[in-house]
Amino acid sequence: EVQLVESGGGLVQPGGSLRLSCIGSGFAFTENYMDWVRQAPGRGLEWVGRSRKKAQRYTTEYAASVKGRFTISRDESKGALYLQMNSLRTDDTAMYYCIKDDGMGAMDSWGQGTLVTVSS
Amino acid sequence: DIQMTQSPSILSASVGDRVTITCRASQSISTRLAWYQQKPGKVPKLLIFESSTLNSGVPSRFSGSGSGTEFTLTINGLQPGDSATYYCQRYNTYPWMFGQGTKVEIK
Repeated sequence: EVQLVESGGGLVQPGGSLRLSCIGSGFAFTENYMDWVRQAPGRGLEWVGRSRKKAQRYTTEYAASVKGRFTISRDESKGALYLQMNSLRTDDTAMYYCIKDDGMGAMDSWGQGTLVTVSS
Repeated sequence: DIQMTQSPSILSASVGDRVTITCRASQSISTRLAWYQQKPGKVPKLLIFESSTLNSGVPSRFSGSGSGTEFTLTINGLQPGDSATYYCQRYNTYPWMFGQGTKVEIK
């Protein structure tokens, strides 16, 4: 069974940084594409970014709203996916979900999410 | 960027009804479209991918169709447990994008 467990959320001031972690199990971590999606309170879903599989050197793509501020990386020895978030803004406040996708882009397994609140 | 427009925003229907949600893309996305269901306080769940392929374990009353720019999610025989918000998502080119969501309420 695929399991994705996020951690690292919390309260941070505007301009601050936070690193989210996601530990995956029950699937071949290096052979799968991984995503981050966020959902602001009471709002819809927003794609944040994607990490391709190892054979594609874990290259990444980002939404325009986070490009240059957020970085997705992996540590395959730990089966971990990370989201480094810098220069945080109040509109980054959201639940952040770690996701395994099917390789084409459909998001077939979701973590429970970790809440990030950016506020002074 | 290719925009996704979902309609309606809110839908109220009775148990047993046939319900249709539409998702339109501003340009052709072939069949690179998925549908998700999110119940209140829960994590989104993949229902359909590649426009019409039912994900494993999803009841057969859910179906998807369409290609190019117009897509539909149909629920045949609405059940009380289908009360949720439904999102479409395109994944043809980056940036990927979700529709605004359709909240389905049971009368």
